[in-house]
Amino acid sequence: NAGVMQNPRHLVRRRGQEARLRCSPMKGHSHVYWYRQLPEEGLKFMVYLQKENIIDESGMPKERFSAEFPKEGPSILRIQQVVRGDSAAYFCASSRQGENIQYFGAGTRLSVL
Amino acid sequence: AQTVTQSQPEMSVQEAETVTLSCTYDTSESDYYLFWYKQPPSRQMILVIRQEAYKQQNATENRFSVNFQKAAKSFSLKISDSQLGDAAMYFCAYRSFSTQGGSEKLVFGKGTKLTVNP
Repeated sequence: NAGVMQNPRHLVRRRGQEARLRCSPMKGHSHVYWYRQLPEEGLKFMVYLQKENIIDESGMPKERFSAEFPKEGPSILRIQQVVRGDSAAYFCASSRQGENIQYFGAGTRLSVL
Repeated sequence: AQTVTQSQPEMSVQEAETVTLSCTYDTSESDYYLFWYKQPPSRQMILVIRQEAYKQQNATENRFSVNFQKAAKSFSLKISDSQLGDAAMYFCAYRSFSTQGGSEKLVFGKGTKLTVNP
């Protein structure tokens, strides 16, 4: 059973470009969570999605950031018009309905030049 | 809002010795979950151990055990017989028991960097 798959592992963007981060949850998992980790910091919650629904986006910046988890395909975290402050590691986690354990992917390290 | 505090930015231990990592948290809830995650240099977040707050018995997983003090809101991780592969960042995390209102998110501490000396 494959784990949570995130791609790309590393993403380099210039200021003003768009970044798209992908996350395929574990098989049988319908809940997806995105977290951001700044250098020397713990992970900070961004958004929680179930298939085709955003359940909790209380950690998402109000502008430029969006997330989706379509009926088919991976979850996407999209950052428009990236700025240097968006440079961070972005982690995706997934869980089954009713399960309290979240399983993490290896993260995507975004670097904004 | 819940907060998690890890007061030790760095810790070191000799191989085969025992080390304890501290974690305290703040919450007004009576039921919740607590977790320790390990993040080695590969950056992969790996679940080490979890504790349900309604269980009085401390969780154990092989060489890893916790000391859960609910009244003190303390959740420390003990690693026995430390191995070189235990070297990593260790994060303490909190999750509400209730899933209403989108409260399934994990709240993390800032982490403790553990070095294991041969």
